Amino acid sequence: EVQLVESGGVVVQPGGSLTLSCEASGFTFDDYTMHWVRQSPGRGLEWVALISWDAANTYYADSVKGRFTISRDNNKNSLFLQMNSLASEDTALYYCAKDDGSNYVFDHWGQGTLVTVSS
Amino acid sequence: EIVMTQSPATLSVSPGERATLSCRASQSVSSDLAWYRQKPGQAPRLLIYGASTRAAGIPARFSGSGSGTEFTLTISSLQSEDFAVYYCQHYNNWPPSLTFGGGTKVEIK
Repeated sequence: EVQLVESGGVVVQPGGSLTLSCEASGFTFDDYTMHWVRQSPGRGLEWVALISWDAANTYYADSVKGRFTISRDNNKNSLFLQMNSLASEDTALYYCAKDDGSNYVFDHWGQGTLVTVSS
Repeated sequence: EIVMTQSPATLSVSPGERATLSCRASQSVSSDLAWYRQKPGQAPRLLIYGASTRAAGIPARFSGSGSGTEFTLTISSLQSEDFAVYYCQHYNNWPPSLTFGGGTKVEIK
């Protein structure tokens, strides 16, 4: 059974930094592209970033480009999202999601970790 | 940037009845469209990709159709677990472009 477990969400001040983690199990992690997707009442569902199976390619939404960095450790079946220069509009539930392997669709999701940016 | 617009925002349907949800793209996306269901307090679940292909384990009461700019998700006979919010998502491989619609809430009539 595929499992994705996110962690690291906290309350952080504007301008602060945070790193989210996602621990994967139940599938061959280094075979798949992985994504971060976030959800907030104001912005709905928003894709944030993706990383290829070998970490050779990363892509970001324009809203986070230059501030967020996605990475992975295939030896530890783990995905990360380093978030810098956080602003109130980054407040959201952040999901780790597995790519289906053929298209950029999300066939498994974690339960999410909540990031709140507030002073 | 391609904008995905879903309608209606809320759909009231009785259990056992058919529900028809729409998703429109601001420009042609071919068949690069997926649908998700999100129950309260849960993460979204993939239902359909390629506009009409059911994902693994998805029952046959869910069907997708359309191409270009107009897409439809049909639920033939609503079950209790289908009262939820549904999202469409466009995906494009190069450059990667993944955008969601604003969602349609299916509620009990």
